[in-house]
Amino acid sequence: AQTVTQSQPEMSVQEAETVTLSCTYDTSESDYYLFWYKQPPSRQMILVIRQEAYKQQNATENRFSVNFQKAAKSFSLKISDSQLGDAAMYFCAYRSARNTNAGKSTFGDGTTLTVKP
Amino acid sequence: DTGVSQDPRHKITKRGQNVTFRCDPISEHNRLYWYRQTLGQGPEFLTYFQNEAQLEKSRLLSDRFSAERPKGSFSTLEIQRTEQGDSAMYLCASSFGQGAQETQYFGPGTRLLVL
Repeated sequence: AQTVTQSQPEMSVQEAETVTLSCTYDTSESDYYLFWYKQPPSRQMILVIRQEAYKQQNATENRFSVNFQKAAKSFSLKISDSQLGDAAMYFCAYRSARNTNAGKSTFGDGTTLTVKP
Repeated sequence: DTGVSQDPRHKITKRGQNVTFRCDPISEHNRLYWYRQTLGQGPEFLTYFQNEAQLEKSRLLSDRFSAERPKGSFSTLEIQRTEQGDSAMYLCASSFGQGAQETQYFGPGTRLLVL
């Protein structure tokens, strides 16, 4: 079974600064997808960024980028130029590429990010 | 379409009672997922549907839990004889697409408190 570990329960960053959230995972599969989701307080969870394991290039979405280290099974999220609206709980998630597990995601326990003005 | 909706948003019940939650997915999304999220933890997969077929159920889903998706549209999650350990946020998500392009859109959740 796959597991996802987020070792930082809480992180804080000064507005306009950069912060990196850590995530490690364990799997015996070679083909899978990794995701970062954002869950603002009392609001719906939304997808921030995704990475396909077979792609060596790190995904980027505007101020959000990842550092994907497949051999180390590490998938960190970097938020640049942090904004007050980035304050939320961030979840790292794993999804197998095997059809039998289509769509089923395994989540970490989250990192609460505080942005200080 | 404004997204995935869930009803009710909050539910307080007494131990032993039955509860039913509803999820309305985004139109034309063929997959629908149920997750459970307890305080301080990430969502845990419960079950998922492709159209009206329930294709996978987690071992977390005891015999007291049942989910349906008639006609491949909305879905219901029923918990019978609720226990205090059932207190959690129940999240629904819907999606379309294949592989890496499948994007799950989450609803706001139903927060259940069992007294």
